[in-house]
Amino acid sequence: GEDVEQSLFLSVREGDSSVINCTYTDSSSTYLYWYKQEPGAGLQLLTYIFSNMDMKQDQRLTVLLNKKDKHLSLRIADTQTGDSAIYFCAESSTGGYNKLIFGAGTRLAVHP
Amino acid sequence: NAGVTQTPKFQVLKTGQSMTLQCAQDMNHNSMYWYRQDPGMGLRLIYYSASEGTTDKGEVPNGYNVSRLNKREFSLRLESAAPSQTSVYFCASSPDYFVSYEQYFGPGTRLTVT
Repeated sequence: GEDVEQSLFLSVREGDSSVINCTYTDSSSTYLYWYKQEPGAGLQLLTYIFSNMDMKQDQRLTVLLNKKDKHLSLRIADTQTGDSAIYFCAESSTGGYNKLIFGAGTRLAVHP
Repeated sequence: NAGVTQTPKFQVLKTGQSMTLQCAQDMNHNSMYWYRQDPGMGLRLIYYSASEGTTDKGEVPNGYNVSRLNKREFSLRLESAAPSQTSVYFCASSPDYFVSYEQYFGPGTRLTVT
């Protein structure tokens, strides 16, 4: 079945780059997403990538997609304390329907 | 424009009690979703409504019922709460179900069943 896996925790120093990784199983996913959840809040879409793209850049965020290895990564440049949150990787279900499969989330801790 | 709103924010129930979680969106979206979030497991889809008048089971529907009251509102009911239903519940909406779109999430309801 469909599955999305992420490491659970990442700690970085303020100003460094953060790289959050994700692997997924459904090779027919049309979109892959990164959502951010701040404490006590709902999820907010950070960025997404269409499955025929290799890379997408949006200000401090870079998404890399390796479709052969079914590997997705999110790089945050110049990480700030405000980036401390849980980051969820998600894939759209088979057929491109808007039924998302989420990973367990990676908690990013940014320290001075 | 409030987006997706949920009530209540917190709730404590005793085993066997019932309750309804309310969700409303003001973005004129066709599709709405209910998820639960448990530690270390990410979000799992309970039920969804692809459009007004339709509802379908997601990954973990047992113990829940839903009602799509109108285009704006989608409620989740626990008929007889169990400790295993202790979780954070999120409602979400999107313009459509049949094409992948961003989903917009509410702030969540933290439910504890004792």
